[in-house]
Amino acid sequence: EVQLVESGGGLVQPGGSLRLSCAASGFTFSIYSMNWVRQGPGQGLEWVSSISGSSTFIHYADSVKGRFTISRDNAKNALFLQMNSLRDEDTAVYYCARDRVKDTTSPDPLDYWGQGTLVTVSS
Amino acid sequence: DIQMTQSPSTLSASVGDRVTITCRASQSISRWLAWYQQKPGKAPKLLIYKASTLDDGVPSRFSGSGSGTEFTLTISSLQPDDFATYYCQQHSIDSTFGGGTKVEIK
Repeated sequence: EVQLVESGGGLVQPGGSLRLSCAASGFTFSIYSMNWVRQGPGQGLEWVSSISGSSTFIHYADSVKGRFTISRDNAKNALFLQMNSLRDEDTAVYYCARDRVKDTTSPDPLDYWGQGTLVTVSS
Repeated sequence: DIQMTQSPSTLSASVGDRVTITCRASQSISRWLAWYQQKPGKAPKLLIYKASTLDDGVPSRFSGSGSGTEFTLTISSLQPDDFATYYCQQHSIDSTFGGGTKVEIK
């Protein structure tokens, strides 16, 4: 059974940093691109970033480019999101999600999602 | 960036109704469009990809159509479990979600 479990959320001050993790199990992690998608309180979904299985291809939304860094550790079946220079508008539930298709190099539909981890940016 | 515009933002309907949601892209995305269903407090669920292909286990009352810049999600006969918020997603260039359509009980 595919499982994605996010962790690392919490309360952080504007300008601060936070690192999110996603533990994956139940599938061959290294051959799937992975994504972060966020959802602000009462808001819609916003795609944040994606990373290919080999970490060769990485994409970011303009809203986080230069501030967030996506990475992965295939040996540990783990996905990460390093978030720096956090702003109030980064407050959201952050979901880890898997591409539907193996071995993609660009974002794809997302067939498995974690339960999300809440990041609150506030002074 | 490709912008995705969904309409309506809210839709009131009754069980058994035929429901249609529209998603428009700011430029052509061919058929690189997916639809998701999300219920309160839960992660989204993939319904349709490549504009019209149902994901595994999705009931046949859901259907998708369109190409280029205009797409629709249709629920042929609304069921109690279908009251939720629906999102479209383009993945032609990076990825963008539409603003969502909440389907509520009339």
